[in-house]
Amino acid sequence: GIQVEQSPPDLILQEGANSTLRCNFSDSVNNLQWFHQNPWGQLINLFYIPSGTKQNGRLSATTVATERYSLLYISSSQTTDSGVYFCAVLTQGGSEKLVFGKGTKLTVNP
Amino acid sequence: DTGVSQNPRHKITKRGQNVTFRCDPISEHNRLYWYRQTLGQGPEFLTYFQNEAQLEKSRLLSDRFSAERPKGSFSTLEIQRTEQGDSAMYLCASSWRQRTGASSYNEQFFGPGTRLTVL
Repeated sequence: GIQVEQSPPDLILQEGANSTLRCNFSDSVNNLQWFHQNPWGQLINLFYIPSGTKQNGRLSATTVATERYSLLYISSSQTTDSGVYFCAVLTQGGSEKLVFGKGTKLTVNP
Repeated sequence: DTGVSQNPRHKITKRGQNVTFRCDPISEHNRLYWYRQTLGQGPEFLTYFQNEAQLEKSRLLSDRFSAERPKGSFSTLEIQRTEQGDSAMYLCASSWRQRTGASSYNEQFFGPGTRLTVL
């Protein structure tokens, strides 16, 4: 099956710093989503981005489907950005299941 | 609140007992998914429904697990004869798939999860 790899696994930042999280996937996909999992376990939708670039406030994401990767940019990080960021893909071929990476754990210190 | 809801939020049970979880999807969504997440891992797919039909099941869904979605509304996930290895967060998601030409839109939205601890 498809492999989804996220890097780095852990990231520690000072408040105000910028960061880039990467998601590589091993096969063509129909859908790619970025999520933020808060300390209570809730998965919060950040982007639905099978291709192209989107921005939402301090966050933006770019997916280059032909090269099988996606990037999540966080600018001017805040302590509330802490948590685990997951990339998940929906493979081609009719399956409806999202395949998740192992996540990037982000800690933003004040 | 119009998001996905799950009950209970926490469940502690003894090994060998049966447990049942409930998921209420976003009202206009026709697709409902169950995932399981263990510590330090991303969620893993268990099964999904389109309306009331269960269309895909993971090999993770052993014969002790059963899921239903009567009338295409809420869904239940039952685990019989629980084992300590079943301890995990069980997540429910829903979506409304739309086709636009050759592409389709299928963004999944997740509930808060049910955390199961088997003693």
